Formats: sequence, structure tokens, C-alpha cells
Amino acid sequence: DAGVIQSPRHEVTEMGQEVTLRCKPISGHNSLFWYRQTMMRGLELLIYFNNNVPIDDSGMPEDRFSAKMPNASFSTLKIQPSEPRDSAVYFCASSPGTGNQPQHFGDGTRLSIL
Amino acid sequence: GQNIDQPTEMTATEGAIVQINCTYQTSGFNGLFWYQQHAGEAPTFLSYNVLDGLEEKGRFSSFLSRSKGYSYLLLKELQMKDSASYLCAVRDTGGFKTIFGAGTRLFVKA
Repeated sequence: DAGVIQSPRHEVTEMGQEVTLRCKPISGHNSLFWYRQTMMRGLELLIYFNNNVPIDDSGMPEDRFSAKMPNASFSTLKIQPSEPRDSAVYFCASSPGTGNQPQHFGDGTRLSIL
Repeated sequence: GQNIDQPTEMTATEGAIVQINCTYQTSGFNGLFWYQQHAGEAPTFLSYNVLDGLEEKGRFSSFLSRSKGYSYLLLKELQMKDSASYLCAVRDTGGFKTIFGAGTRLFVKA
């Protein structure tokens, strides 16, 4: 079975550029999560969706960050404009949505903003 | 507030047993998860506890005490491949929001 698929795996871009990260959750999972991981702050929840609806975006650091989930099989996380401090690994995860089911993580996008 | 505490690093010897502790203070509780994360890879699920007591899964066991806000992950018969970070995570009530601890980096030496 295909897991959570993220693209790109790596992205290097200059500050000020727009960055779009993509995620395809596991089919049938109705909850989707975006995380950011850095050495300093660990794994931080940015936003999560349930049935394509954003439920909690309190972790989104600034208005430069936005996320969408137009359908059950696709989500994007966009940073515009990007800054060097946005450099991190961004993970997407999905889960079936019942309480005892774990989240399944994608391989992550390693983002470097120069 | 939300707070999850784990030791930063631990070192153990191949073949031994190691216990990784996690204490949490969260506004709600709907289960505690342990994940394993190898360097440069994604976290992968290890165990889940929602009721007090011990859950055993092969070489790995996890314990929960809700009244104490405490959990531990027990790894037996350590292997070199167990060198990784171990993340404790608490799911909030009423939804699926999960807060992760900073993780414990385990080094297994020969």
C-alpha cells in the first residue's frame, strides 16, 4: 500500500521566493497534519485538517504560511515570501481519524532557504 | 499549557534493556503514542496507550500512568539498529491534535 507521499523531497531556494509543499495522504484517511521539525524546536504541529476542513491552524507561525486541502487526496503548504528561518524539514502525516489510530508520516521535505 | 518532557539523550549497550521516560502536562488527554525516528527519516509508530498499564509488543513495551502524567518506553535485547530518536506524543481530547515531545536520542553501543 502506498504511504503518505510528499513532494518535493528537497528544496533549496532564495529568500523571498514562494515555496509550495505537496502531500498526498493515505487513501481513506480523513485527517491530515502538517508538521515542521528543527533541531531547536523539535516536531511542531502547524495545522491539521479533518475531512478536508482546517480544524486547528494555531501552529502556523505567520501569515506567510498558508495551507489548503481542496480534496481528500491532496494538500499544500505554501510559504510566501520565504525566509532563511523557515529552513526545516516539513512532514505531512495522515490518520484514519479514530482515537487510537496513529499518524502515518511522509518522508518529509527538506527545505533550505538561502 | 502543554508540556512534554523526555531526557535529551541516553546511551545503552547492545543486548541490554533501556527505559525512556516521558512526563506530560496537557490540557486534555486522549492517548499517548511513542514513535521511533531514525536520523534523516520520518517518525514511525511504535505503541499506543490510553488506559493505565503496560502494553507489550515484542521487544518494545510501553507503560502509562494517567494520574501521574507519566509514561515509559522499554526496549529489551537492544540492537544497534535501535539507535534512533524516540518521540513521546500526547493526543488532545475532542480532536486529533497531537503534541510531540522533543524526543530522546538513544545511542546503542557494542
